[in-house]
Amino acid sequence: QSALTQPASVSGSPGQSITISCTGTSSDVGAYNYVSWYQQHPGKAPKLMIYDVSNRPSGVSHRFSGSKSGNTASLTISGLQAEDEADYYCSSYTSISTVLFGGGTKLTVL
Amino acid sequence: QVQLQESGPGLVKPSETLSLTCTVSGGSIGSYYYSWIRQPPGKGLEWIGYIYYSGSANYIPSLKSRVTISLDTSKNQFSLKLSSVTAADTAVYYCARAQIGYNYLFSSWGQGTLVTVSS
Repeated sequence: QSALTQPASVSGSPGQSITISCTGTSSDVGAYNYVSWYQQHPGKAPKLMIYDVSNRPSGVSHRFSGSKSGNTASLTISGLQAEDEADYYCSSYTSISTVLFGGGTKLTVL
Repeated sequence: QVQLQESGPGLVKPSETLSLTCTVSGGSIGSYYYSWIRQPPGKGLEWIGYIYYSGSANYIPSLKSRVTISLDTSKNQFSLKLSSVTAADTAVYYCARAQIGYNYLFSSWGQGTLVTVSS
């Protein structure tokens, strides 16, 4: 199993929108609507931001949204704020009942 | 509010066994899946495996021959053992609890503990 593919970095100015992609295969991302997204600030544990492709846990800002098409999932953050600067990881359930993470994307708010 | 706390040695010698424990407080350990996830310094997350409160477990294929995750419900703890470690196993190790009804959705995490493999 190889890690899901994410861009190494993305950037945007405050108020703008950015999208982070997460590409897998027909055995993981494409097989189920079980894609999650996590936010990780330096030195901290990851925080769940999106689950089951597009659902937000209680307390997560509506500025975070998710979608999926085929083997690629996406996380969109609208109205960028300085506090959004962090690393973002996608994850997917797989056909062999394991969990696969993406390589991570560093978001810089300019 | 559930809390998870990792504990164990921060330094392990090559070829030895890494052993970590996660203590779950603020709630019953029952009815949930519990996972170990690691992150090498400066790198991404890697899921290691999970155990259900019933005792059934599953592991990532690349580590399956070296990993054992176990559960002690009487102590509200679950543990990780990783044998024959090398420098490549140096990482921050997180314990996590999945959201109820899920095994792949990590809603509660420990703070993480750095384990260095070195002689």
